[in-house]
Amino acid sequence: QKEVEQNSGPLSVPEGAIASLNCTYSDRGSQSFFWYRQYSGKSPELIMSIYSNGDKEDGRFTAQLNKASQYVSLLIRDSQPSDSATYLCAVNDSGGGADGLTFGKGTHLIIQP
Amino acid sequence: DTAVSQTPKYLVTQMGNDKSIKCEQNLGHDTMYWYKQDSKKFLKIMFSYNNKELIINETVPNRFSPKSPDKAHLNLHINSLELGDSAVYFCASSQGSSSQYFGPGTRLLVL
Repeated sequence: QKEVEQNSGPLSVPEGAIASLNCTYSDRGSQSFFWYRQYSGKSPELIMSIYSNGDKEDGRFTAQLNKASQYVSLLIRDSQPSDSATYLCAVNDSGGGADGLTFGKGTHLIIQP
Repeated sequence: DTAVSQTPKYLVTQMGNDKSIKCEQNLGHDTMYWYKQDSKKFLKIMFSYNNKELIINETVPNRFSPKSPDKAHLNLHINSLELGDSAVYFCASSQGSSSQYFGPGTRLLVL
């Protein structure tokens, strides 16, 4: 059974600080890793994708992947109140074909003004 | 233009009824998915379709049947609805195993 684990939170971070979200996964065959943001009552919105070990930066967001430790993280710099949402970590074990994502239960992030 | 769209947005129905949810994507993707998000907000894959073929079918009751008339559409038909089917159903699409993009969701309430 593939599993993706996240701390459900809530994680409270002051505005302007760095928010750090973590995720671990059980399947060593996992190939693709994604972070989605979901506002209450809305659909998941893709924030970052990462496929190889190391860091990937996009604006205020940095995704970090360590396949040896089966660990994925998302850093949000200069946190804004609009970043308050649930962040979902998702993993795909596909080696090239199509497959569904395995999601964690999400971390509820609160940015305090 | 909406990339992934779903209809209806809300669906309220009685136990035992049969209902369908429709999904369309205009991204030119070759794979479409159905996910279920339960009351605890846990998002779980139900089905995926790639070039009209069912790729995966998780442990979903056979009352649920996906149908794909073409690459841009994936509908979900549910027979004999039960209280436990109440959830938000999301359609998504991707090109192969790349990033998946989600529709707005259909909120199903079974009374």
